Amino acid sequence: LAKTTQPISMDSYEGQEVNITCSHNNIATNDYITWYQQFPSQGPRFIIQGYKTKVTNEVASLFIPADRKSSTLSLPRVSLSDTAVYYCLVGVFTGGFKTIFGAGTRLFVKA
Amino acid sequence: IAGITQAPTSQILAAGRRMTLRCTQDMRHNAMYWYRQDLGLGLRLIHYSNTAGTTGKGEVPDGYSVSRANTDDFPLTLASAVPSQTSVYFCASSDSKGFNNEQFFGPGTRLTVL
Repeated sequence: LAKTTQPISMDSYEGQEVNITCSHNNIATNDYITWYQQFPSQGPRFIIQGYKTKVTNEVASLFIPADRKSSTLSLPRVSLSDTAVYYCLVGVFTGGFKTIFGAGTRLFVKA
Repeated sequence: IAGITQAPTSQILAAGRRMTLRCTQDMRHNAMYWYRQDLGLGLRLIHYSNTAGTTGKGEVPDGYSVSRANTDDFPLTLASAVPSQTSVYFCASSDSKGFNNEQFFGPGTRLTVL
């Protein structure tokens, strides 16, 4: 399974767009890229998943370049409640997903 | 119940004791997972199960065992607890019918081994 590298922390202000980039140089052909959000004392929550190009849902966008060695989670117009840890995962589907969580990026949104 | 439940919420355990962490889901998901999260770190996969009757090892399986007798339950057992197993344990499940890695997580069990 490919390991991931993310910035340890990021700061932003309310209303700004936040982009968090994750490197996964050894991603395999069958790996999917998934992002999760975790608040203190809670389990992670799924945000978005993609394989290539761009994926968008009501919460975020995920940009994946052609070589798939990195991905960028984009959060539009963040609010204070978006302060959390964001994890980038790569995983292979084996009937379930066998995945590796990295250390995550701690996003702090300021007023 | 709706989603995933874990029990106990927290536990203090003496080293050498046996402990089973319980996990139950009511979403009829085929796949289930156990993770541990140490203070300030990300989650590490301990064991997983793609379907009832099968299990597999994750990143850090040593000292832990699991069973999957039915779809809903996925208990994690520490046969002889050691202080390095002090951690927060999260159980998760996902629907393995599609290529969707949306795992649903339980509230966690905070375990302290003294």
